[in-house]
Amino acid sequence: AQRVTQPEKLLSVFKGAPVELKCNYSYSGSPELFWYVQYSRQRLQLLLRHISRESIKGFTADLNKGETSFHLKKPFAQEEDSAMYYCALISGSGNTGKLIFGQGTTLQVKP
Amino acid sequence: GAVVSQHPSRVICKSGTSVKIECRSLDFQATTMFWYRQFPKQSLMLMATSNEGSKATYEQGVEKDKFLINHASLTLSTLTVTSAHPEDSSFYICSASTALAGREQYFGPGTRLTVT
Repeated sequence: AQRVTQPEKLLSVFKGAPVELKCNYSYSGSPELFWYVQYSRQRLQLLLRHISRESIKGFTADLNKGETSFHLKKPFAQEEDSAMYYCALISGSGNTGKLIFGQGTTLQVKP
Repeated sequence: GAVVSQHPSRVICKSGTSVKIECRSLDFQATTMFWYRQFPKQSLMLMATSNEGSKATYEQGVEKDKFLINHASLTLSTLTVTSAHPEDSSFYICSASTALAGREQYFGPGTRLTVT
C-alpha cells in the first residue's frame, strides 16, 4: 500500500535549534516526494521536492531509499518557520498523479 | 504566477440543500484539478481528480452522486455538495496542475462549509 507517515504531530523547538521533521513512505516503484507547508491562515504551498535537490528557506530533504525516508531538516530554526508541514508522495503517472499526504507535523519555534 | 482561487471562502447552508464551490486557475490553464477534504487538525484526503472535458475519477469511499464535480474549462472546476448534511461540514481544498509545471500542484485557499 502507498502510504506516507509523519510520526510526530507536534515538534516544538527553540529558535536557533536544529530541526528535523520525519517522514517515511511506503511505495512500490520510484517515489516522487514533496514537502508542503501551510502557514497560519494561508494556503498550502510547495516547500521542496526531492528531484530538485534544492534548499528552500534553509530547509533540505534527502531521499533515503534504503530507509524509505524523506526527512526535512534545517540547521537553525527561525520563529517564522512555525507552520504545519506535510510530506507527500505522488502516486500514478502523468499530470493525473495524485498526492498522498502524511498526517502533518506542526512545527512550533519558540523565541 | 500559478494562482488558484476558490469561491466562496466560507459558506453556511441548511441541511438538505446543495452548495457549489468554484475553483479557478487565474493565470494558467489547468489540465487537471483535484479536490481534497480536510477535517480539523487532520491531513488532506483526496476526493477526486478531474480532467477538463471528462468525467471525474473519485477515490474509494467518495460518493460521486453526492459530490458532483464538473471541469468544464481549463480554468474552472466546480464541486457541488448535494443534499448536504452536517457531517459534510468540512474544509474543501482544490488544487490544479498543468503540463508545463510537471507534477506540481498549486493549491487554492480552501472553502469552509458549514451545514446547519
